[in-house]
Amino acid sequence: DVKVTQSSRYLVKRTGEKVFLECVQDMDHENMFWYRQDPGLGLRLIYFSYDVKMKEKGDIPEGYSVSREKKERFSLILESASTNQTSMYLCASSLAGVETQYFGPGTRLLVL
Amino acid sequence: SQQGEEDPQALSIQEGENATMNCSYKTSINNLQWYRQNSGRGLVHLILIRSNEREKHSGRLRVTLDTSKKSSSLLITASRAADTASYFCATSDSGGSNYKLTFGKGTLLTVNP
Repeated sequence: DVKVTQSSRYLVKRTGEKVFLECVQDMDHENMFWYRQDPGLGLRLIYFSYDVKMKEKGDIPEGYSVSREKKERFSLILESASTNQTSMYLCASSLAGVETQYFGPGTRLLVL
Repeated sequence: SQQGEEDPQALSIQEGENATMNCSYKTSINNLQWYRQNSGRGLVHLILIRSNEREKHSGRLRVTLDTSKKSSSLLITASRAADTASYFCATSDSGGSNYKLTFGKGTLLTVNP
Protein backbone atom coordinates (compact mmCIF):
# COMPACT_ATOMS: atom_id res chain seq x y z
CA ASP A 1 0.00 0.00 0.00
CA VAL A 2 1.15 3.50 -0.78
CA LYS A 3 1.84 5.53 2.28
CA VAL A 4 2.00 9.32 2.27
CA THR A 5 2.88 10.92 5.57
CA GLN A 6 2.80 14.54 6.63
CA SER A 7 4.98 15.91 9.41
CA SER A 8 2.20 17.37 11.55
CA ARG A 9 -1.56 16.87 11.92
CA TYR A 10 -2.05 20.23 13.64
CA LEU A 11 0.13 23.31 13.64
CA VAL A 12 -0.28 26.74 15.22
CA LYS A 13 1.96 29.56 14.03
CA ARG A 14 2.21 33.32 14.40
CA THR A 15 1.82 35.82 11.60
CA GLY A 16 5.16 36.42 9.90
CA GLU A 17 6.72 33.10 10.90
CA LYS A 18 8.35 30.88 8.32
CA VAL A 19 6.50 27.57 8.20
CA PHE A 20 7.68 24.25 6.80
CA LEU A 21 5.26 21.46 5.96
CA GLU A 22 6.88 18.15 5.11
CA CYS A 23 5.50 15.31 3.05
CA VAL A 24 7.06 11.89 2.49
CA GLN A 25 5.89 9.06 0.22
CA ASP A 26 7.25 5.55 0.24
CA MET A 27 6.31 4.26 -3.22
CA ASP A 28 8.93 5.85 -5.47
CA HIS A 29 6.29 8.05 -7.12
CA GLU A 30 7.47 10.61 -9.65
CA ASN A 31 4.82 13.22 -8.93
CA MET A 32 4.01 15.03 -5.73
CA PHE A 33 1.41 17.71 -5.03
CA TRP A 34 0.44 20.26 -2.40
CA TYR A 35 -3.19 21.36 -2.08
CA ARG A 36 -5.04 23.51 0.35
CA GLN A 37 -8.64 22.81 1.26
CA ASP A 38 -11.03 25.47 2.49
CA PRO A 39 -14.77 25.26 3.18
CA GLY A 40 -16.76 26.19 0.11
CA LEU A 41 -13.68 26.31 -2.11
CA GLY A 42 -12.77 22.65 -2.36
CA LEU A 43 -9.20 21.54 -3.08
CA ARG A 44 -6.92 24.01 -4.80
CA LEU A 45 -3.50 23.09 -6.17
CA ILE A 46 -0.64 25.17 -4.79
CA TYR A 47 2.42 23.53 -6.40
CA PHE A 48 3.41 20.21 -7.85
CA SER A 49 6.63 18.45 -8.70
CA TYR A 50 7.18 15.87 -11.44
CA ASP A 51 10.79 15.05 -10.61
CA VAL A 52 13.53 15.85 -8.13
CA LYS A 53 14.31 19.58 -8.14
CA MET A 54 11.49 20.18 -10.65
CA LYS A 55 8.41 22.13 -9.70
CA GLU A 56 5.50 23.89 -11.30
CA LYS A 57 3.04 26.42 -9.99
CA GLY A 58 -0.51 25.36 -9.47
CA ASP A 59 -3.55 27.58 -9.23
CA ILE A 60 -2.65 29.49 -6.06
CA PRO A 61 1.16 29.63 -5.60
CA GLU A 62 1.32 33.14 -4.16
CA GLY A 63 2.84 33.21 -0.68
CA TYR A 64 4.21 29.67 -0.98
CA SER A 65 7.36 27.97 -2.20
CA VAL A 66 8.34 24.31 -2.42
CA SER A 67 11.41 22.16 -2.31
CA ARG A 68 12.05 18.68 -3.65
CA GLU A 69 15.63 17.63 -3.00
CA LYS A 70 14.86 13.91 -2.78
CA LYS A 71 12.32 11.90 -4.70
CA GLU A 72 10.38 10.81 -1.63
CA ARG A 73 10.13 14.21 0.07
CA PHE A 74 8.24 17.35 -0.96
CA SER A 75 8.21 20.37 1.30
CA LEU A 76 5.83 23.31 1.30
CA ILE A 77 7.20 26.56 2.68
CA LEU A 78 5.20 29.56 3.83
CA GLU A 79 7.83 32.30 3.70
CA SER A 80 5.91 34.66 6.00
CA ALA A 81 2.72 33.14 7.31
CA SER A 82 -0.43 35.21 7.17
CA THR A 83 -3.85 34.63 8.69
CA ASN A 84 -5.36 33.94 5.25
CA GLN A 85 -3.11 30.90 5.02
CA THR A 86 -5.03 29.23 7.82
CA SER A 87 -6.26 26.09 6.11
CA MET A 88 -6.05 22.33 5.74
CA TYR A 89 -2.99 21.37 3.69
CA LEU A 90 -3.00 18.09 1.82
CA CYS A 91 -0.05 16.40 0.18
CA ALA A 92 -0.46 13.77 -2.54
CA SER A 93 1.67 11.64 -4.79
CA SER A 94 1.09 9.75 -8.02
CA LEU A 95 3.07 7.30 -10.07
CA ALA A 96 2.55 9.00 -13.41
CA GLY A 97 0.66 11.78 -15.05
CA VAL A 98 -2.96 12.24 -14.12
CA GLU A 99 -3.49 8.83 -12.65
CA THR A 100 -4.57 8.00 -9.12
CA GLN A 101 -3.32 10.35 -6.45
CA TYR A 102 -2.57 9.09 -2.95
CA PHE A 103 -3.14 11.56 -0.17
CA GLY A 104 -1.58 12.11 3.22
CA PRO A 105 -3.75 12.69 6.30
CA GLY A 106 -3.49 16.47 6.06
CA THR A 107 -2.07 19.24 8.22
CA ARG A 108 -4.48 21.67 9.76
CA LEU A 109 -2.60 24.98 10.06
CA LEU A 110 -3.80 27.87 12.17
CA VAL A 111 -2.01 31.19 11.74
CA LEU A 112 -2.68 33.66 14.55
CA SER B 1 -13.22 28.12 -13.38
CA GLN B 2 -14.65 25.09 -11.63
CA GLN B 3 -14.19 21.96 -13.72
CA GLY B 4 -15.96 19.24 -11.75
CA GLU B 5 -19.05 20.24 -9.83
CA GLU B 6 -20.83 17.73 -7.64
CA ASP B 7 -24.55 17.61 -7.10
CA PRO B 8 -26.15 17.58 -4.60
CA GLN B 9 -23.97 19.48 -2.14
CA ALA B 10 -25.37 17.38 0.70
CA LEU B 11 -27.31 14.12 0.85
CA SER B 12 -28.80 12.39 3.88
CA ILE B 13 -30.12 8.82 3.64
CA GLN B 14 -30.91 5.82 5.83
CA GLU B 15 -28.64 2.83 6.12
CA GLY B 16 -29.41 0.27 3.42
CA GLU B 17 -30.58 2.85 0.88
CA ASN B 18 -28.68 3.70 -2.28
CA ALA B 19 -26.88 7.01 -2.68
CA THR B 20 -26.34 8.72 -6.01
CA MET B 21 -24.03 11.68 -6.53
CA ASN B 22 -23.45 13.50 -9.79
CA CYS B 23 -20.54 15.39 -11.26
CA SER B 24 -20.62 17.77 -14.19
CA TYR B 25 -17.62 19.19 -15.98
CA LYS B 26 -16.97 21.66 -18.75
CA THR B 27 -14.10 20.50 -20.99
CA SER B 28 -12.93 17.30 -22.66
CA ILE B 29 -11.25 14.95 -20.24
CA ASN B 30 -8.72 12.10 -20.18
CA ASN B 31 -10.23 10.52 -17.11
CA LEU B 32 -12.51 11.23 -14.19
CA GLN B 33 -11.86 10.03 -10.67
CA TRP B 34 -13.92 9.79 -7.51
CA TYR B 35 -12.43 10.24 -4.05
CA ARG B 36 -13.81 9.94 -0.53
CA GLN B 37 -12.80 12.06 2.45
CA ASN B 38 -13.73 11.25 6.00
CA SER B 39 -14.04 14.27 8.25
CA GLY B 40 -10.69 15.92 8.90
CA ARG B 41 -8.72 13.31 6.97
CA GLY B 42 -7.01 12.98 3.61
CA LEU B 43 -8.72 11.84 0.43
CA VAL B 44 -8.95 8.20 -0.56
CA HIS B 45 -9.18 7.16 -4.20
CA LEU B 46 -12.28 5.15 -5.10
CA ILE B 47 -12.50 4.70 -8.86
CA LEU B 48 -10.92 6.03 -12.05
CA ILE B 49 -12.93 5.93 -15.28
CA ARG B 50 -11.33 6.81 -18.59
CA SER B 51 -12.95 8.90 -21.30
CA ASN B 52 -13.53 5.84 -23.51
CA GLU B 53 -15.32 3.92 -20.74
CA ARG B 54 -18.99 4.22 -19.87
CA GLU B 55 -19.33 2.29 -16.63
CA LYS B 56 -17.15 0.82 -13.90
CA HIS B 57 -17.85 -1.17 -10.78
CA SER B 58 -15.91 -1.68 -7.59
CA GLY B 59 -17.67 -3.57 -4.81
CA ARG B 60 -20.75 -1.53 -3.86
CA LEU B 61 -19.67 1.38 -6.07
CA ARG B 62 -20.84 1.98 -9.62
CA VAL B 63 -19.58 4.88 -11.69
CA THR B 64 -20.98 5.97 -15.04
CA LEU B 65 -19.56 8.47 -17.47
CA ASP B 66 -21.45 10.27 -20.22
CA THR B 67 -18.97 12.32 -22.22
CA SER B 68 -21.69 13.71 -24.48
CA LYS B 69 -23.34 15.29 -21.44
CA LYS B 70 -20.04 15.91 -19.68
CA SER B 71 -21.30 14.22 -16.56
CA SER B 72 -20.59 11.30 -14.26
CA SER B 73 -22.49 9.66 -11.46
CA LEU B 74 -21.36 7.67 -8.44
CA LEU B 75 -23.81 5.15 -7.03
CA ILE B 76 -23.23 3.57 -3.63
CA THR B 77 -25.55 0.63 -3.09
CA ALA B 78 -26.77 -0.70 0.27
CA SER B 79 -25.17 2.20 2.13
CA ARG B 80 -23.66 1.84 5.58
CA ALA B 81 -23.04 4.36 8.36
CA ALA B 82 -19.32 4.01 7.56
CA ASP B 83 -20.00 5.49 4.10
CA THR B 84 -20.63 8.84 5.76
CA ALA B 85 -18.04 11.14 4.17
CA SER B 86 -17.52 13.80 1.54
CA TYR B 87 -17.21 12.57 -2.03
CA PHE B 88 -15.26 14.45 -4.68
CA CYS B 89 -14.94 14.05 -8.41
CA ALA B 90 -11.69 15.06 -10.07
CA THR B 91 -11.08 15.52 -13.76
CA SER B 92 -8.01 15.40 -15.92
CA ASP B 93 -8.41 17.94 -18.71
CA SER B 94 -7.34 16.45 -22.06
CA GLY B 95 -6.10 19.83 -23.25
CA GLY B 96 -4.31 20.74 -20.06
CA SER B 97 -1.41 19.74 -17.89
CA ASN B 98 -0.23 16.14 -17.92
CA TYR B 99 -0.19 16.18 -14.13
CA LYS B 100 -3.06 18.24 -12.88
CA LEU B 101 -6.37 17.05 -11.53
CA THR B 102 -9.14 19.55 -10.89
CA PHE B 103 -11.37 18.71 -7.94
CA GLY B 104 -14.96 19.66 -7.38
CA LYS B 105 -16.26 20.99 -4.08
CA GLY B 106 -17.75 17.69 -3.03
CA THR B 107 -20.98 16.09 -1.88
CA LEU B 108 -21.39 15.51 1.85
CA LEU B 109 -23.11 12.15 2.34
CA THR B 110 -24.64 11.30 5.70
CA VAL B 111 -25.86 7.75 6.24
CA ASN B 112 -28.08 7.48 9.28
CA PRO B 113 -28.08 4.17 11.18
